[in-house]
Amino acid sequence: AQSVAQPEDQVNVAEGNPLTVKCTYSVSGNPYLFWYVQYPNRGLQFLLKYITGDNLVKGSYGFEAEFNKSQTSFHLKKPSALVSDSALYFCAVRDIGAGNNRKLIWGLGTSLAVNP
Amino acid sequence: NAGVTQTPKFRILKIGQSMTLQCTQDMNHNYMYWYRQDPGMGLKLIYYSVGAGITDKGEVPNGYNVSRSTTEDFPLRLELAAPSQTSVYFCASSIAGLDEQFFGPGTRLTVL
Repeated sequence: AQSVAQPEDQVNVAEGNPLTVKCTYSVSGNPYLFWYVQYPNRGLQFLLKYITGDNLVKGSYGFEAEFNKSQTSFHLKKPSALVSDSALYFCAVRDIGAGNNRKLIWGLGTSLAVNP
Repeated sequence: NAGVTQTPKFRILKIGQSMTLQCTQDMNHNYMYWYRQDPGMGLKLIYYSVGAGITDKGEVPNGYNVSRSTTEDFPLRLELAAPSQTSVYFCASSIAGLDEQFFGPGTRLTVL
């Protein structure tokens, strides 16, 4: 069964330090992977996606994510965290071998708190 | 572009009442989605549409109905509101199934 896991409910990091938000997935074929961010009382915003090619994907607001096929992971990273990065982060995956299945499978979200 | 707009922003319903959550996008996207977000539960897909006149069920369709008569609009209908439908509802759209989804600001619904 297709699934995506975000093993940490909450991540705390000091401003200026690097941050990592973890995501692992399970699909039957090759994955399409996404990261979204949700600020308080707002809808989700797209950060980046992996389809194919370079395993390191760069996205909005200085975020990047590394696709690791052997570890079935797609961790979100940023070299230097800002207080304004504090938000809820969602990982999502679609199995591109799923034919007419156009649905994304969403993780439960990780709350990132960046402390000044 | 306004993007994806949703109305109303907030609503309180009594058990058994009905209502329609409105969603409109002005980006000429083919795909549209309705999600509900419950605390600690992430996003659950209710219904989605790949184009005008075509809709399909998501993970949690029971108690809801949708229609897609135009490319722009994708209303979500609750016929007999139940407390279990208390949630935040998000509408989203995308050009195609593997493209980024653009989300509306959400509707916070409480059923008492």
